Amino acid sequence: AQSVTQPDIHITVSEGASLELRCNYSYGATPYLFWYVQSPGQGLQLLLKYFSGDTLVQGIKGFEAEFKRSQSSFNLRKPSVHWSDAAEYFCAVGEDSSYKLIFGSGTRLLVRP
Amino acid sequence: SQTIHQWPATLVQPVGSPLSLECTVEGTSNPNLYWYRQAAGRGLQLLFYSVGIGQISSEVPQNLSASRPQDRQFILSSKKLLLSDSGFYLCAWSNSGSRFAKNIQYFGAGTRLSVL
Repeated sequence: AQSVTQPDIHITVSEGASLELRCNYSYGATPYLFWYVQSPGQGLQLLLKYFSGDTLVQGIKGFEAEFKRSQSSFNLRKPSVHWSDAAEYFCAVGEDSSYKLIFGSGTRLLVRP
Repeated sequence: SQTIHQWPATLVQPVGSPLSLECTVEGTSNPNLYWYRQAAGRGLQLLFYSVGIGQISSEVPQNLSASRPQDRQFILSSKKLLLSDSGFYLCAWSNSGSRFAKNIQYFGAGTRLSVL
C-alpha cells in the first residue's frame, strides 16, 4: 500500500533563510507526487506536481521540489523564505489507477522575523 | 475558470443533531468529488469520493454519509452528530478527463464543525 511520510512535524526558519521540507513515499511504480500548502483555517492550495520527465519541478510562490527515485523522496525547497510562507505543508502521492491521493501528516512551518 | 464553494464556513451543532454540508463546483462538468476530514493538528482523512451522480465510495466506516444529487454538487450528512465528528471538513474536486488531471485535486475553503 502507498504511504507518505513527512518526518518533521514542525520546522522553524528565519526569514530570508533557505528551506527544505522532507517527504518520503512508499510505492512500487512511479508515483504522481504533489505538494500542497494550507494557511490556518483555509483549504489546501496546490504548490507543485510531478508526473514524469524532469525530476526538478517548479511551482508557485518560488517553491521547487526534486523527485529522487533512489531515495523515494520528493523534498520541497525554497531558497529564501518570506514571513508569508508560514503555513502547513502537505506532501501527497497518487497513482495512475486510482482517483485518490494519500497525504502525509503535514509539516508546520514557522518563520522567525 | 473552475471554482469550488463550501458552506457553511463555520458550524456549531449539539450532539445528536443532524448535519448537512454542501459543496458545489462551477466551471467544469463531471468532476470527481471528495470529502476529507482534518482533525486538529492532523493530516487529511479521505471520507468519501464520487466519480459520478449517485456513485459514492466510502473510505471509512463512520457516522457520516455522502450524496451527489447533481453533477457538481456533493453533500456530506449525518443523522445524529457525535462529539468525535468535530473537525475541519474539506471538499475537493478533480478533472475526470485525463490520466494526469484526475489526480490533481483542488480544495474548497473548508467547514469548521464543532459538536458540543
